[in-house]
Amino acid sequence: DQQVKQNSPSLSVQEGRISILNCDYTNSMFDYFLWYKKYPAEGPTFLISISSIKDKNEDGRFTVFLNKSAKHLSLHIVPSQPGDSAVYFCAARNTGTASKLTFGTGTRLQVTL
Amino acid sequence: NAGVTQTPKFRILKIGQSMTLQCAQDMNHNYMYWYRQDPGMGLKLIYYSVGAGITDKGEVPNGYNVSRSTTEDFPLRLELAAPSQTSVYFCASSFVGAEKLFFGSGTQLSVL
Repeated sequence: DQQVKQNSPSLSVQEGRISILNCDYTNSMFDYFLWYKKYPAEGPTFLISISSIKDKNEDGRFTVFLNKSAKHLSLHIVPSQPGDSAVYFCAARNTGTASKLTFGTGTRLQVTL
Repeated sequence: NAGVTQTPKFRILKIGQSMTLQCAQDMNHNYMYWYRQDPGMGLKLIYYSVGAGITDKGEVPNGYNVSRSTTEDFPLRLELAAPSQTSVYFCASSFVGAEKLFFGSGTQLSVL
């Protein structure tokens, strides 16, 4: 039962353009969402997060949007840079089990010159 | 400030062998976690701890054991290794539960 889904395994975007990574979830008890970025042979690193009481959070080039009614969140990267090429994981916290995160399967972003 | 340190980085085990994956953090975080990542899959939680002396099972705990005798260390023990345990293992810690986890660089384990 995949409660957090990233349906696009990969995405290719030109440098300078917008990258949009999507994530869907099924559990209405999720109250906090995070995006992690992972380079090869490294551990994931925290990128940005959003609480379920908000619909948008912005940090520099990165913006996360949350649509609770659709159980959908997205990460926008503007402008995309070659250094953004990595695997991006969406994760969610269940308000009833607040010590644990559920991760999606990841989307590999490639930013081309 | 090293963050989360995992050892070893790579290991090959034979079926039935045992080993301990080490994890240490120097950020004084109460929460620590072990995840595994299989190819093309997300991270699955094996075990977690909310403080020294307290551990609990995650989604995929079978075949593993953990202990948390200090705030800093959270070793993961594999008993009787099986090919299904071939994976990349990540240790993580956080100050607040399930928020902004800091990950180690991972241990790539192959069981042959």
